[in-house]
Amino acid sequence: GNSVTQMEGPVTLSEEAFLTINCTYTATGYPSLFWYVQYPGEGLQLLLKATKADDKGSNKGFEATYRKETTSFHLEKGSVQVSDSAVYFCALSPYSGGYNKLIFGAGTRLAVHP
Amino acid sequence: DTAVSQTPKYLVTQMGNDKSIKCEQNLGHDTMYWYKQDSKKFLKIMFSYNNKELIINETVPNRFSPKSPDKAHLNLHINSLELGDSAVYFCASSQGVGTSGYNEQFFGPGTRLTVL
Repeated sequence: GNSVTQMEGPVTLSEEAFLTINCTYTATGYPSLFWYVQYPGEGLQLLLKATKADDKGSNKGFEATYRKETTSFHLEKGSVQVSDSAVYFCALSPYSGGYNKLIFGAGTRLAVHP
Repeated sequence: DTAVSQTPKYLVTQMGNDKSIKCEQNLGHDTMYWYKQDSKKFLKIMFSYNNKELIINETVPNRFSPKSPDKAHLNLHINSLELGDSAVYFCASSQGVGTSGYNEQFFGPGTRLTVL
C-alpha cells in the first residue's frame, strides 16, 4: 500500500539553525511527493513538490529532493526563522487511475526560538 | 477574495445530533475533497467529488454523507454524532484529477468539530 512516515516532533531550533525533517514513503508505481505547511489556526499550504525521481522542489528557502533509491523526500532549510514555526506534512499522491488523492504523514511540529 | 471557504469555523454539539459543514470554492476548480485531521494532527482523506460525481470514498462510516450541489460546493452531513467524530475537517479543491500528473490542492481554513 501507500504510506508516508515522518520523524516525530516537536523539533525545537534556535533562529538561523539548520533544519532537516525526515520523510520516507512506501508506494506502488511512481508517486508525486509534497511538503505542506500548516501555520497555527490555518489550513494547509503547499510548500514544495517533486513529481519524479531526482527532482528537487524548492520554495522560501526550503528544499527537498525526490530520492527513489532511498524512498525519501527529506525537507531542509539552511537558516530557519521564527516565522517558520508550524506543522510540516510530507505527503504523496499515488498514480491511481487519475485520482488526485493525497496521503499524508503524521506531521512534524517545528518551533523556532529567537 | 478567491479561496476555499468553510462554515462554520467552530461547531460544538452533543452526541447523537446531526450537523452539516459547508464548503465553497471560487477558484473555478472541478474537484473537491474532505479531509479529517484528528487530535494528533493526522490528516486523512474522506471523500472526493469531480464534477459533482463521487470519485473517492475512503472507508468512512455511513453516518457521513457528502453532497455536491454544484462544482463550487461540497457539503458534509454527519448523522448521530459520536465523541470520536471530534476533529478538524478540511475542505480542499483542485482543477482536474491529474491523469498524468498532480494538480495542487488548495485547502480551506478548517472546521473544528467538538462533540460533547
